[in-house]
Amino acid sequence: GENVEQHPSTLSVQEGDSAVIKCTYSDSASNYFPWYKQELGKRPQLIIDIRSNVGEKKDQRIAVTLNKTAKHFSLHITETQPEDSAVYFCAASGTYKYIFGTGTRLKVLA
Amino acid sequence: DAGVIQSPRHEVTEMGQEVTLRCKLISGHNSLFWYRQTMMRGLELLIYFNNNVPIDDSGMPEDRFSAKMPNASFSTLKIQPSEPRDSAVYFCASNLRGRPEAFFGQGTRLTVV
Repeated sequence: GENVEQHPSTLSVQEGDSAVIKCTYSDSASNYFPWYKQELGKRPQLIIDIRSNVGEKKDQRIAVTLNKTAKHFSLHITETQPEDSAVYFCAASGTYKYIFGTGTRLKVLA
Repeated sequence: DAGVIQSPRHEVTEMGQEVTLRCKLISGHNSLFWYRQTMMRGLELLIYFNNNVPIDDSGMPEDRFSAKMPNASFSTLKIQPSEPRDSAVYFCASNLRGRPEAFFGQGTRLTVV
C-alpha cells in the first residue's frame, strides 16, 4: 500500500548548523509533497511544499528538493535557530489523501 | 480569517460515554479531513468530505466512530461509546477547492478514562 518513510526520527544540531530530513514515498502517482512543522501541543503548520513538476523550492532558510525518479524528497533548514525545534512531518499526496511520514523531532541546541 | 476552529480543545470523559468533537472550516474551503494523532500511529486520516459528502471513510476505525457535515462550514466527529484506546489528539483540516494545501485546526485532546 501507500507508504512514506521519514528519517531520521530524531535530529540534534547546533544552532547555526544545517538540518536535513529525508522522506521516501511509494506511490508513483503522488504529485504534491508538503512539509509540516508541529510545535509541542500545537497544530501541524504548513511550512513549505513542492509539486512534482519542480525539483527544488526555497523560502528563506528552508528548502525542499524532490527526486521523482528515486521517489525521494528532502527538507533542508539552514542557519538553524532554537525556534526551529519542533517535530517535522513530510507527506505525499496524489489526489486528496495525504500519506504522512512518522515525523522527525528536531532539537536545535543553543 | 480565523482559520480552522475546533472545539473543545480538551475533553476528558469516562469510558462508555458519547463524545462529540466539532470543527468549523475556513470560509470558502470545501474539503474537510478528520485526523487522529497518537505517538504509536502518527497522523491517521479518519474521513474525508468534499462538498459536504463523505468521500473516503476507510480510516474510521470502528462503527463507534461517525462523522457528519451538515453544512458547508461545519463538521462533527462522534464516538459512541468511547473507550480508553480512543485517547488521542483529533485534528480537522480543510482546503480550498482545487488547491492541495491543507490547513489544520488546533486539535482536540481527548482522554477517555
